[in-house]
Amino acid sequence: GQQLNQSPQSMFIQEGEDVSMNCTSSSIFNTWLWYKQDPGEGPVLLIALYKAGELTSNGRLTAQFGITRKDSFLNISASIPSDVGIYFCAGQLRGNSGAGSYQLTFGKGTKLSVIP
Amino acid sequence: ETGVTQTPRHLVMGMTNKKSLKCEQHLGHNAMYWYKQSAKKPLELMFVYNFKEQTENNSVPSRFSPECPNSSHLFLHLHTLQPEDSALYLCASSQVGGDYGYTFGSGTRLTVV
Repeated sequence: GQQLNQSPQSMFIQEGEDVSMNCTSSSIFNTWLWYKQDPGEGPVLLIALYKAGELTSNGRLTAQFGITRKDSFLNISASIPSDVGIYFCAGQLRGNSGAGSYQLTFGKGTKLSVIP
Repeated sequence: ETGVTQTPRHLVMGMTNKKSLKCEQHLGHNAMYWYKQSAKKPLELMFVYNFKEQTENNSVPSRFSPECPNSSHLFLHLHTLQPEDSALYLCASSQVGGDYGYTFGSGTRLTVV
């Protein structure tokens, strides 16, 4: 089955620094999604990407859908303490006729810690 | 109520107890999911329901029993659990063929003693 490799697994950064994390896949997706999970809560969608090469921003967050359709990255600029949490990438291959074609494949997450 | 609501938020149960987790979605979605999230482990897909029909059971032990009476409600019935079943149980919903992936609930933090 499809597998997502998300890196780094964890990172500690100073407040104000920029952050970059990425996901790579063994096969193509036509949708990439980035979620954030605060401690004790469920993941919340941050950014959705639907086209290869697409670059999308949401405030201080920027994400890109790789040209090969097998990777995506998420950047956070000028980090603040509330950026702490676990960030998950997820890939989806919509439009397939097989069972489970609408299902997401999740990365293992990047745990972000921000030092004030 | 909006989004995906899970109750209870926290649950402590003995190994001989029977309890149920409840999930309700108010988004008009037609697919619902149960995930298990243990400490230092990735999200584990447990069950998938598509239009109330179970389409996936990811080799989950029979002490976990899902129920989906309609497309808005999803239950996870628990009995004779083990301490290693302690985890955050997340419910999610989505629109098959739609955009925006899954919407997650806040989860139920389960502790088995």
